[in-house]
Amino acid sequence: DQQVKQNSPSLSVQEGRISILNCDYTNSMFDYFLWYKKYPAEGPTFLISISSIKDKNEDGRFTVFLNKSAKHLSLHIVPSQPGDSAVYFCAASVVFSSGSARQLTFGSGTQLTVLP
Amino acid sequence: NAGVTQTPKFQVLKTGQSMTLQCAQDMNHNSMYWYRQDPGMGLRLIYYSASEGTTDKGEVPNGYNVSRLNKREFSLRLESAAPSQTSVYFCASNQGGGGEKLFFGSGTQLSVL
Repeated sequence: DQQVKQNSPSLSVQEGRISILNCDYTNSMFDYFLWYKKYPAEGPTFLISISSIKDKNEDGRFTVFLNKSAKHLSLHIVPSQPGDSAVYFCAASVVFSSGSARQLTFGSGTQLTVLP
Repeated sequence: NAGVTQTPKFQVLKTGQSMTLQCAQDMNHNSMYWYRQDPGMGLRLIYYSASEGTTDKGEVPNGYNVSRLNKREFSLRLESAAPSQTSVYFCASNQGGGGEKLFFGSGTQLSVL
């Protein structure tokens, strides 16, 4: 059973418009959420994160919103640029039961295509 | 500053062969991780090492072994490769101790025939 779900495998947006990527989770123990961006033949790179004690975090063109009651988070990109075309992974984090490190659970990703 | 370096980038194995994927980080991170990425399934944790000298199983450890050789290096070994292990493998690291953000290598594309 997937604990982190990205239900849209792909999204196409016109350059300059807003891109909204969505993510749902089931485990209420997750206390930190991250978005990663991945280009072909490269590893994922960190984009933006949010703690469960917040409902919004903004970094330039990127904003992440967290709705804890709905167990839902979203990534907004405004304005979208062709260079934003990539796969975006949502991840949710909780400390391992051993307390020694953090476990990240990833969604299956959304391919964003920004059309010029 | 190379970050996380993985070798090799590509590998083709026959069923039953063994191999070791190498990973090294130069960020003085305490924790290191191995993930696999399969189509439609995101990244799944195979093994992790919270600190030098410790290793633990993740979500999908069967068929793999790991070695935390020192603080910089964390290797993943397939003793007897199977077609189900065809995947892209990513190594990652972070500071640990509650540090959340992972830094990833560029991946190893492995095909088992």
